[in-house]
Amino acid sequence: KQEVTQIPAALSVPEGENLVLNCSFTDSAIYNLQWFRQDPGKGLTSLLLIQSSQREQTSGRLNASLDKSSGRSTLYIAASQPGDSATYLCAVGKAGGTSYGKLTFGQGTILTVHP
Amino acid sequence: GAVVSQHPSRVICKSGTSVKIECRSLDFQATTMFWYRQFPKKSLMLMATSNEGSKATYEQGVEKDKFLINHASLTLSTLTVTSAHPEDSSFYICSARATGLYGYTFGSGTRLTVV
Repeated sequence: KQEVTQIPAALSVPEGENLVLNCSFTDSAIYNLQWFRQDPGKGLTSLLLIQSSQREQTSGRLNASLDKSSGRSTLYIAASQPGDSATYLCAVGKAGGTSYGKLTFGQGTILTVHP
Repeated sequence: GAVVSQHPSRVICKSGTSVKIECRSLDFQATTMFWYRQFPKKSLMLMATSNEGSKATYEQGVEKDKFLINHASLTLSTLTVTSAHPEDSSFYICSARATGLYGYTFGSGTRLTVV
């Protein structure tokens, strides 16, 4: 059974700092890994998607890496802004079989960026 | 592109009544949609996989008679919480994947409160 762990559970930083969110998973047989943002009481917004054959993806100030062999992914946020404050979720999509397409989520990292 | 609309965003119902939540893919067809449940300050837990034209596949521990899923068309899946109890109060989110895209698009979620 796939287990996804995110560290830290919460993070508070001053505006402008670069930060790293960590995600680890126990089963390396993944289809893809996706990072999401969730604002309080809202749905999920996809930030970055990394296919199992890829090592990293970048979008603006965000960079996500994937090391499938070690079961790890990191989300790097450059020059953080108060608007980045949200919960960040890491989700792993299982490869193949009847479980294809199912996502297993981590518990999330609550990020607070203060001015 | 790849927008998923979920309705209603909030609903309050009395114990014993049934509530229907709709999930629509607005600009793509989705043969498969997923229903998740999120408890306060917890991550998302997959409840079931909704398959167009066939029965849904439920995760272990999810009561199929309580959480009725219907996927009657390629753009609409519904989740009906039957005989709702206060412990069914939660945040329910659906997702779908557009053909040709690798990531998942999520609806905005439905906050269900059973009183």
